[in-house]
Amino acid sequence: AQSVTQLGSHVSVSEGALVLLRCNYSSSVPPYLFWYVQYPNQGLQLLLKYTSAATLVKGINGFEAEFKKSETSFHLTKPSAHMSDAAEYFCAVIKSYNTDKLIFGTGTRLQVFP
Amino acid sequence: KAGVTQTPRYLIKTRGQQVTLSCSPISGHRSVSWYQQTPGQGLQFLFEYFSETQRNKGNFPGRFSGRQFSNSRSEMNVSTLELGDSALYLCASSSSGRGTDTQYFGPGTRLTVL
Repeated sequence: AQSVTQLGSHVSVSEGALVLLRCNYSSSVPPYLFWYVQYPNQGLQLLLKYTSAATLVKGINGFEAEFKKSETSFHLTKPSAHMSDAAEYFCAVIKSYNTDKLIFGTGTRLQVFP
Repeated sequence: KAGVTQTPRYLIKTRGQQVTLSCSPISGHRSVSWYQQTPGQGLQFLFEYFSETQRNKGNFPGRFSGRQFSNSRSEMNVSTLELGDSALYLCASSSSGRGTDTQYFGPGTRLTVL
């Protein structure tokens, strides 16, 4: 069974519109959840992480995500999209303690139109 | 502080050859993880090392191996290359390897097998 599921392999928004990227996790995993962004020909950059502290997590570049245990979700949002947000976004989970082993979702490519 | 560096950045090999990829973590970081990224399989975990010990290994054949040195630098080796090994290989480092610390990714090594 997938540990994290990203709904929608491609999302398109207009510049200035709300960005919503969906991620659902398996309820059996501990709550170490992450969102990473990957720009073309680059490695991954951490946007934000949830490690059992506040359920609303604020990250870099205006992104935030809310951990909702009842819905097993960790959706990524940004109020106003910018052209520079166009990239691939990955939701990931660490399934056990004392490890850095990340299990990634399949990714969502975000396109931003002017 | 310098980021995670990976060498070489690009590599072209032929089937049957072997290859060694190198990863230098951020200074002071003791945990290094490796991932393979392909269009078909996405991001898949290969290995995790902490203080020269392999803590986790992904579901890859024995042709894939790795190690970590006392200065935390890590190498991975792929023997008897197959066409399907063509991928972007990413490494990441963190200070404690406890999952809650931020993992920093390198730019990757793009391996092409002909």
